[in-house]
Amino acid sequence: DSGVTQTPKHLITATGQRVTLRCSPRSGDLSVYWYQQSLDQGLQFLIQYYNGEERAKGNILERFSAQQFPDLHSELNLSSLELGDSALYFCASASGGAVDTQYFGPGTRLTVL
Amino acid sequence: GNSVTQMEGPVTLSEEAFLTINCTYTATGYPSLFWYVQYPGEGLQLLLKATKADDKGSNKGFEATYRKETTSFHLEKGSVQVSDSAVYFCALIPWTGNQFYFGTGTSLTVIP
Repeated sequence: DSGVTQTPKHLITATGQRVTLRCSPRSGDLSVYWYQQSLDQGLQFLIQYYNGEERAKGNILERFSAQQFPDLHSELNLSSLELGDSALYFCASASGGAVDTQYFGPGTRLTVL
Repeated sequence: GNSVTQMEGPVTLSEEAFLTINCTYTATGYPSLFWYVQYPGEGLQLLLKATKADDKGSNKGFEATYRKETTSFHLEKGSVQVSDSAVYFCALIPWTGNQFYFGTGTSLTVIP
């Protein structure tokens, strides 16, 4: 158990809908990272927050957004969903800093029908 | 730019066989290098890491040495077990940033 929790574990929705994925980092960790894992594109970094502020952005679509709240939990919002958004979405946390080990949550499996 | 290239899988080995999973990288400066493992149905777990040239990371019988001259970080284990069956990801963090760059993953199946 990494100490990172993600909810829900599974999510099934329809095209055009909007969903919110939630992540709670390990106690004391200030950084939260979001990743998308799909069969065709592998593990892709989406975005990082550090202590409530956006720190780095990767291959995140404009239809996707994220935020980190004062209690350090984070939410990833996915809107106007398409079939291709079906994937595993992982959250990871780290204590902070430029070079740090990340601890991954169990993931949320999103299926868009 | 920054990137990680892993050997293509899947890899199938018999129990007690020797394992090598090749990983090479492209990065400016001196990145930190990592191996993560993903067991079926789970998230990624850190297996080992090395933060400077010639460092050797090791954990659970797995080893990898940071080779700057060959820009490589190959994962090795002398005697694999069925429980090592998983997907292994090589990754780097460039020294200038805090974004992970992952390889595509190598699936390992160990048969009794």
